[in-house]
Amino acid sequence: DQQVKQNSPSLSVQEGRISILNCDYTNSMFDYFLWYKKYPAEGPTFLISISSIKDKNEDGRFTVFLNKSAKHLSLHIVPSQPGDSAVYFCAASTSGGGADGLTFGKGTHLIIQP
Amino acid sequence: NAGVTQTPKFQVLKTGQSMTLQCAQDMNHNSMYWYRQDPGMGLRLIYYSASEGTTDKGEVPNGYNVSRLNKREFSLRLESAAPPQTSVYFCASSENDAPIEQYFGPGTRLTVT
Repeated sequence: DQQVKQNSPSLSVQEGRISILNCDYTNSMFDYFLWYKKYPAEGPTFLISISSIKDKNEDGRFTVFLNKSAKHLSLHIVPSQPGDSAVYFCAASTSGGGADGLTFGKGTHLIIQP
Repeated sequence: NAGVTQTPKFQVLKTGQSMTLQCAQDMNHNSMYWYRQDPGMGLRLIYYSASEGTTDKGEVPNGYNVSRLNKREFSLRLESAAPPQTSVYFCASSENDAPIEQYFGPGTRLTVT
């Protein structure tokens, strides 16, 4: 029973355009959400997060939107750059962002085409 | 400041062998975690430690033991390795206080034949 779902295994976007990565969750106890970026042979690196009390958080080219009623969040990258090509993981926490560990989706492989 | 370090980077074991994966962090974080990632899967939590001297099971703890040796170090032990434990293992650390942001090591790629 997957509690965090990323239904698109891969996504191809042209350089300079917007990349939109989607994530759905089933556990209504999740109250903090994060996006991680992972290059091959490296560990995941934190990208951006959002608390359940907000519906949007922005950091430079990256914006995360949260729709609690739909149990859906999305990551927007504008404009997309070649270095954004990576696997992106959506993750969620039930502990107010505390120390109990994260539940991850399977990831979406983003490919930025020149 | 090295962040989170893991040793070894690669390991091949035969079924039934044992080994310990080492993890250390130099960020003075209270919490540490072990995850595994299988092909086409997200990361799944094996064990975590919210503070020195405490450990808790995660989603997939069977076949593993952990030791929080001190604040810096958190090791993962496979007592009798089995082929389903072939995976990439990631260690992470974080502060206890919200909002949480976990910092990951580079991973250990383990193959059990």
